[in-house]
Amino acid sequence: QKEVEQDPGPLSVPEGAIVSLNCTYSNSAFQYFMWYRQYSRKGPELLMYTYSSGNKEDGRFTAQVDKSSKYISLFIRDSQPSDSATYLCGGTGRRALTFGSGTRLQVQP
Amino acid sequence: SAVISQKPSRDICQRGTSLTIQCQVDSQVTMMFWYRQQPGQSLTLIATANQGSEATYESGFVIDKFPISRPNLTFSTLTVSNMSPEDSSIYLCSVWRGSSYEQYFGPGTRLTVT
Repeated sequence: QKEVEQDPGPLSVPEGAIVSLNCTYSNSAFQYFMWYRQYSRKGPELLMYTYSSGNKEDGRFTAQVDKSSKYISLFIRDSQPSDSATYLCGGTGRRALTFGSGTRLQVQP
Repeated sequence: SAVISQKPSRDICQRGTSLTIQCQVDSQVTMMFWYRQQPGQSLTLIATANQGSEATYESGFVIDKFPISRPNLTFSTLTVSNMSPEDSSIYLCSVWRGSSYEQYFGPGTRLTVT
């Protein structure tokens, strides 16, 4: 079993939709969770950083962590074609991040 | 955040040769890491680059194949040695800044081995 599981998609939504991206993890030592956006042929860009359980909001993006169920989510409101990318979730317990496989998102205009 | 540059951005190399990838950060960072991203795959940690001492390698990665240097707090190199087509990947430098464990990535080096 991988430490971080993520549905690879692809996920296709119409412009303006609310997008929900999800990951599960198995390592109880994980305390820090991050979401990255990666455009084709680019390095991953840090979108959201969350410590422990709870919600964090930044503009159209909301990250949620539920440590009791080992479940992490990223919500994108009012999705735009420019949000089309691969989204990677990662977790760590004070060492380098372990990543999920990434979910490819396509927002249709 | 952190501004990270990598050289080269891409290269095509022949089987059996070696390539050294450089990673430069705009200011001092606490930790530097090297990841590999194979086509269509996620990121796999190769090693943690330690300043002034040997890198710490993950299972499946060895120093003879991926020697790493980190002479100071802003610079590291990764060498991919005796390359084979299976080494064709994107190699990414990543850093922690400060004590928050926020992790930032460079733009990557796209390596093709023929």
